[in-house]
Amino acid sequence: EVQLLESGGGLVQPGGSLRISCAASGFTFPYSAMSWVRQAPGRGLEWVSGISGRDRTTYYADSVKGRFTVSRDNSKNTLYLQMNSLRAEDTAVYYCAKVSGDLPWMWYFDFWGQGTLVTVSS
Amino acid sequence: QSVLTQPPSASGTPGQRVSISCSGSNSNIGSNTVNWYQHLPGAAPKLLIYGTNQRPSGVPDRFSGSRSGTSASLAISGLQSEDETDYYCATWDDSLNGYVFGTGTKVTVL
Repeated sequence: EVQLLESGGGLVQPGGSLRISCAASGFTFPYSAMSWVRQAPGRGLEWVSGISGRDRTTYYADSVKGRFTVSRDNSKNTLYLQMNSLRAEDTAVYYCAKVSGDLPWMWYFDFWGQGTLVTVSS
Repeated sequence: QSVLTQPPSASGTPGQRVSISCSGSNSNIGSNTVNWYQHLPGAAPKLLIYGTNQRPSGVPDRFSGSRSGTSASLAISGLQSEDETDYYCATWDDSLNGYVFGTGTKVTVL
């Protein structure tokens, strides 16, 4: 059974940093691309970032490029999102998703975690 | 603002057929496969349709997807009360070099 468990969310001040994690199990993590998707209060789903499985190519939404860094530790089956220079508009529930599809233009997210809440406020 | 536009709401009575549109451009829907997700706020989103018209195991055949040019559609036939939630289209955008979600549609069962 595929399981994705996010952790590390919390309250952080504007301009601060936070790293959230996603522990994966039930599938061959090193071979799977992974992604982060968020939902701000009262808003729709927004893709944040993705990372391929083997070559670890990374992709980012324009809204977080230069501030967020996605990474993975294949030995620990864990996905990370390092968030720097946080803004109020980054407040959201952050979901980790397992990606299927060989290439980015074929990507789809077949399993999702329950999410972790990040609140940026003074 | 998303590059994929959906109607904010759609509705129908139990048993009816409801269709949700997703309008994009040549750099996204016109070039790449479309996926649809169902999301009950507070829960994990669920994959409904992938590869434009493929259903994952466990998704009822009441749900179907299609594409024509730069637009895609999700159809729900035999509408049921448990279908009342939010739906999002999504695909890769070649110009943005990133994945994009639609604006979302809330389906109401009258």
